[in-house]
Amino acid sequence: ETGVTQSPTHLIKTRGQQVTLRCSSQSGHNTVSWYQQALGQGPQFIFQYYREEENGRGNFPPRFSGLQFPNYSSELNVNALELDDSALYLCASSNRDRAGEQYFGPGTRLTVT
Amino acid sequence: GDSVTQMEGPVTLSEEAFLTINCTYTATGYPSLFWYVQYPGEGLQLLLKATKADDKGSNKGFEATYRKETTSFHLEKGSVQVSDSAVYFCALSDSKNQGGKLIFGQGTELSVKP
Repeated sequence: ETGVTQSPTHLIKTRGQQVTLRCSSQSGHNTVSWYQQALGQGPQFIFQYYREEENGRGNFPPRFSGLQFPNYSSELNVNALELDDSALYLCASSNRDRAGEQYFGPGTRLTVT
Repeated sequence: GDSVTQMEGPVTLSEEAFLTINCTYTATGYPSLFWYVQYPGEGLQLLLKATKADDKGSNKGFEATYRKETTSFHLEKGSVQVSDSAVYFCALSDSKNQGGKLIFGQGTELSVKP
Protein backbone atom coordinates (compact mmCIF):
# COMPACT_ATOMS: atom_id res chain seq x y z
CA GLU A 1 0.00 0.00 0.00
CA THR A 2 1.51 3.32 -1.09
CA GLY A 3 1.14 6.22 1.32
CA VAL A 4 0.45 9.86 0.58
CA THR A 5 3.33 11.60 -1.18
CA GLN A 6 3.90 15.29 -1.77
CA SER A 7 6.25 17.28 -3.95
CA PRO A 8 8.36 19.25 -3.68
CA THR A 9 9.66 18.89 -0.14
CA HIS A 10 10.82 22.48 0.13
CA LEU A 11 10.21 25.55 -1.98
CA ILE A 12 11.35 29.16 -1.84
CA LYS A 13 9.36 31.78 -3.74
CA THR A 14 9.25 35.55 -3.96
CA ARG A 15 6.24 37.64 -2.97
CA GLY A 16 3.83 38.01 -5.91
CA GLN A 17 4.85 34.76 -7.58
CA GLN A 18 2.66 31.71 -8.11
CA VAL A 19 3.26 28.19 -6.82
CA THR A 20 1.88 24.70 -7.50
CA LEU A 21 2.15 21.92 -4.94
CA ARG A 22 1.40 18.30 -5.78
CA CYS A 23 -0.02 15.34 -3.89
CA SER A 24 -0.57 11.68 -4.65
CA SER A 25 -3.29 10.03 -2.62
CA GLN A 26 -3.03 6.73 -0.82
CA SER A 27 -4.32 3.95 -3.04
CA GLY A 28 -8.03 3.29 -2.59
CA HIS A 29 -8.83 6.80 -1.34
CA ASN A 30 -11.21 9.08 -3.24
CA THR A 31 -11.03 12.32 -1.24
CA VAL A 32 -8.18 14.79 -0.87
CA SER A 33 -7.92 17.62 1.65
CA TRP A 34 -5.33 20.38 1.89
CA TYR A 35 -4.21 22.11 5.08
CA GLN A 36 -1.89 24.98 5.93
CA GLN A 37 0.20 24.62 9.08
CA ALA A 38 1.98 27.71 10.35
CA LEU A 39 4.94 27.21 12.68
CA GLY A 40 3.78 26.15 16.14
CA GLN A 41 0.12 25.96 15.13
CA GLY A 42 -2.37 23.27 14.23
CA PRO A 43 -3.23 22.64 10.59
CA GLN A 44 -5.91 24.92 9.08
CA PHE A 45 -8.30 23.45 6.49
CA ILE A 46 -7.97 25.01 3.04
CA PHE A 47 -10.31 22.85 0.94
CA GLN A 48 -11.32 19.32 0.08
CA TYR A 49 -11.88 17.58 -3.26
CA TYR A 50 -14.09 14.61 -4.05
CA ARG A 51 -14.69 13.30 -7.56
CA GLU A 52 -12.68 16.16 -9.02
CA GLU A 53 -14.92 18.83 -7.48
CA GLU A 54 -14.38 21.10 -4.50
CA ASN A 55 -16.31 19.70 -1.55
CA GLY A 56 -15.85 22.28 1.16
CA ARG A 57 -13.58 25.24 1.69
CA GLY A 58 -12.04 26.91 4.71
CA ASN A 59 -11.44 30.58 5.32
CA PHE A 60 -8.88 31.10 2.54
CA PRO A 61 -9.05 33.65 -0.30
CA PRO A 62 -9.75 32.66 -3.93
CA ARG A 63 -6.06 32.92 -4.83
CA PHE A 64 -5.84 29.49 -3.19
CA SER A 65 -7.22 27.01 -5.72
CA GLY A 66 -6.98 23.33 -6.38
CA LEU A 67 -7.54 20.44 -8.71
CA GLN A 68 -8.20 16.75 -8.29
CA PHE A 69 -7.43 14.41 -11.16
CA PRO A 70 -9.17 11.16 -12.19
CA ASN A 71 -6.45 9.14 -10.45
CA TYR A 72 -7.28 11.11 -7.25
CA SER A 73 -3.98 12.97 -7.21
CA SER A 74 -4.27 16.67 -6.52
CA GLU A 75 -2.67 20.08 -6.89
CA LEU A 76 -2.78 23.17 -4.72
CA ASN A 77 -2.15 26.46 -6.53
CA VAL A 78 -1.47 29.73 -4.78
CA ASN A 79 -1.36 32.96 -6.78
CA ALA A 80 0.08 36.34 -5.80
CA LEU A 81 2.09 34.89 -2.92
CA GLU A 82 2.26 36.88 0.31
CA LEU A 83 4.81 36.63 3.10
CA ASP A 84 2.12 35.13 5.39
CA ASP A 85 1.72 32.21 2.99
CA SER A 86 5.00 30.82 4.36
CA ALA A 87 3.98 27.56 6.04
CA LEU A 88 3.94 23.78 5.81
CA TYR A 89 1.26 22.63 3.35
CA LEU A 90 -0.21 19.24 4.12
CA CYS A 91 -2.18 16.99 1.84
CA ALA A 92 -4.39 14.27 3.30
CA SER A 93 -6.34 11.52 1.59
CA SER A 94 -9.35 9.62 2.87
CA ASN A 95 -12.47 7.80 1.86
CA ARG A 96 -15.60 9.90 1.75
CA ASP A 97 -17.52 7.62 4.12
CA ARG A 98 -14.74 7.90 6.75
CA ALA A 99 -13.66 11.43 5.97
CA GLY A 100 -12.35 12.22 9.45
CA GLU A 101 -9.77 9.45 9.22
CA GLN A 102 -7.26 11.21 7.07
CA TYR A 103 -3.83 10.01 6.00
CA PHE A 104 -1.32 12.80 5.73
CA GLY A 105 1.67 13.30 3.53
CA PRO A 106 4.95 14.69 4.87
CA GLY A 107 4.13 18.18 3.63
CA THR A 108 5.73 20.85 1.47
CA ARG A 109 7.57 23.63 3.30
CA LEU A 110 6.94 26.90 1.43
CA THR A 111 8.99 29.98 2.21
CA VAL A 112 7.96 33.31 0.67
CA THR A 113 10.60 36.06 0.73
CA GLY B 1 -17.98 28.02 14.54
CA ASP B 2 -16.63 24.73 15.73
CA SER B 3 -13.30 24.83 17.56
CA VAL B 4 -10.82 22.76 19.58
CA THR B 5 -8.73 23.95 22.52
CA GLN B 6 -5.75 22.03 23.91
CA MET B 7 -3.59 22.55 26.95
CA GLU B 8 -0.48 24.51 26.12
CA GLY B 9 2.89 22.86 25.94
CA PRO B 10 5.58 21.95 26.03
CA VAL B 11 4.97 19.12 28.46
CA THR B 12 8.10 17.48 29.83
CA LEU B 13 7.87 14.12 31.63
CA SER B 14 10.21 11.45 32.85
CA GLU B 15 9.98 7.99 31.35
CA GLU B 16 7.18 5.85 32.88
CA ALA B 17 5.28 8.92 34.12
CA PHE B 18 1.52 9.29 33.63
CA LEU B 19 0.41 11.54 30.79
CA THR B 20 -2.69 13.66 30.42
CA ILE B 21 -3.17 16.18 27.62
CA ASN B 22 -6.40 18.11 27.96
CA CYS B 23 -8.66 18.81 24.99
CA THR B 24 -12.05 20.52 24.93
CA TYR B 25 -14.22 21.28 21.95
CA THR B 26 -17.09 23.46 20.79
CA ALA B 27 -19.41 22.06 18.15
CA THR B 28 -22.96 22.68 17.03
CA GLY B 29 -23.48 19.15 15.69
CA TYR B 30 -22.34 15.69 16.70
CA PRO B 31 -18.69 15.50 15.74
CA SER B 32 -16.26 12.65 15.70
CA LEU B 33 -13.15 13.31 17.77
CA PHE B 34 -9.55 12.40 16.99
CA TRP B 35 -6.03 12.53 18.30
CA TYR B 36 -3.30 12.89 15.70
CA VAL B 37 0.43 12.70 16.43
CA GLN B 38 3.35 14.28 14.61
CA TYR B 39 6.71 12.66 15.35
CA PRO B 40 9.84 14.68 14.62
CA GLY B 41 10.46 14.81 10.88
CA GLU B 42 7.32 12.87 10.02
CA GLY B 43 3.80 13.60 8.84
CA LEU B 44 0.66 13.63 10.96
CA GLN B 45 -0.63 10.19 11.91
CA LEU B 46 -4.01 9.20 13.28
CA LEU B 47 -3.50 7.94 16.84
CA LEU B 48 -7.07 7.21 17.93
CA LYS B 49 -10.67 8.23 17.39
CA ALA B 50 -14.15 8.19 18.94
CA THR B 51 -17.31 8.73 16.96
CA LYS B 52 -20.00 9.18 19.61
CA ALA B 53 -20.49 10.11 23.24
CA ASP B 54 -18.95 7.74 25.82
CA ASP B 55 -16.87 5.96 23.17
CA LYS B 56 -13.28 5.27 24.20
CA GLY B 57 -10.58 5.33 21.56
CA SER B 58 -7.32 3.52 22.24
CA ASN B 59 -4.07 2.74 20.48
CA LYS B 60 -0.43 2.10 21.48
CA GLY B 61 -1.32 2.45 25.18
CA PHE B 62 -3.01 5.83 24.67
CA GLU B 63 -6.69 6.32 25.53
CA ALA B 64 -9.27 9.07 25.24
CA THR B 65 -12.98 9.08 26.11
CA TYR B 66 -15.57 11.20 24.32
CA ARG B 67 -17.33 13.17 27.10
CA LYS B 68 -20.31 15.07 25.73
CA GLU B 69 -21.32 16.49 29.11
CA THR B 70 -17.95 18.21 29.54
CA THR B 71 -17.21 18.56 25.78
CA SER B 72 -13.82 16.97 26.37
CA PHE B 73 -11.56 14.32 24.84
CA HIS B 74 -8.49 14.18 27.08
CA LEU B 75 -5.56 12.01 25.99
CA GLU B 76 -4.01 9.70 28.62
CA LYS B 77 -1.24 7.16 28.84
CA GLY B 78 -0.25 5.29 31.94
CA SER B 79 3.48 5.06 31.32
CA VAL B 80 5.18 7.17 28.67
CA GLN B 81 8.35 6.23 26.81
CA VAL B 82 11.03 8.36 25.21
CA SER B 83 9.65 7.26 21.84
CA ASP B 84 6.35 9.04 22.65
CA SER B 85 8.07 12.41 22.30
CA ALA B 86 6.07 14.21 19.60
CA VAL B 87 3.46 16.89 19.03
CA TYR B 88 -0.11 15.77 19.74
CA PHE B 89 -3.13 17.35 18.05
CA CYS B 90 -6.74 17.01 19.10
CA ALA B 91 -9.20 17.38 16.23
CA LEU B 92 -12.87 17.14 15.40
CA SER B 93 -14.77 16.35 12.23
CA ASP B 94 -18.44 16.91 11.64
CA SER B 95 -18.93 14.89 8.48
CA LYS B 96 -22.68 15.37 8.37
CA ASN B 97 -22.52 19.13 8.30
CA GLN B 98 -19.07 20.00 7.08
CA GLY B 99 -17.98 17.35 4.65
CA GLY B 100 -15.36 15.75 6.81
CA LYS B 101 -12.92 18.61 7.24
CA LEU B 102 -10.76 18.35 10.34
CA ILE B 103 -10.59 21.20 12.82
CA PHE B 104 -7.40 20.99 14.87
CA GLY B 105 -6.27 22.35 18.18
CA GLN B 106 -2.95 24.19 18.34
CA GLY B 107 -0.99 21.10 19.35
CA THR B 108 0.80 20.06 22.53
CA GLU B 109 4.48 19.19 22.39
CA LEU B 110 5.48 16.28 24.62
CA SER B 111 9.08 15.64 25.57
CA VAL B 112 9.89 12.47 27.51
CA LYS B 113 13.28 12.28 29.24
CA PRO B 114 15.00 8.97 30.11
